[in-house]
Amino acid sequence: RKEVEQDPGPFNVPEGATVAFNCTYSNSASQSFFWYRQDCRKEPKLLMSVYSSGNEDGRFTAQLNRASQYISLLIRDSKLSDSATYLCVVRDDMRFGAGTRLTVKP
Amino acid sequence: GAVVSQHPSWVICKSGTSVKIECRSLDFQATTMFWYRQFPKQSLMLMATSNEGSKATYEQGVEKDKFLINHASLTLSTLTVTSAHPEDSSFYICSARDPGLGQPQHFGDGTRLSIL
Repeated sequence: RKEVEQDPGPFNVPEGATVAFNCTYSNSASQSFFWYRQDCRKEPKLLMSVYSSGNEDGRFTAQLNRASQYISLLIRDSKLSDSATYLCVVRDDMRFGAGTRLTVKP
Repeated sequence: GAVVSQHPSWVICKSGTSVKIECRSLDFQATTMFWYRQFPKQSLMLMATSNEGSKATYEQGVEKDKFLINHASLTLSTLTVTSAHPEDSSFYICSARDPGLGQPQHFGDGTRLSIL
């Protein structure tokens, strides 16, 4: 089993839609989790950290489920500018999930 | 502003050339840095973990003699692609982990390497 696995995608959604991605991890001792966004031919940019109690930043909500060993990212009211590849990373492993490609269409 | 600086951002070289890529942490000391490679439409793949003052730890399948890593100071790691060939053409990205508990890693802007 890979250390970090993500929904394969791609996700093609209309503007205004709500979309959610999941990412599972294999190391139960992992402590820190993050979601990154990567635009085409660019380096990953930190989107948000994932806290045990769940956290929200505007239209983005991140959650952690330790029992099932996955993290999730929810995007509400999708914008065209949200189109990108979303990567989860488990800090202890420093490995990325394969990434989920999101395309928001008019 | 950027906390990790990576240079050069774009390299085009002839086959057989060795290419050095630098990664610097600007605002913090990084005892550990990471080197990734990303082929078009594929995910970031960890190549190696660079440890200050000691040998790098390479991921399975990554040739250590092909990809030389040097981490001589707490703010600088270099990756040298030796005798590069067209199949080495890729996007190489370094990152450094902010040592604070729970802090994320910061990425350089990446180096696009094209070998002719």
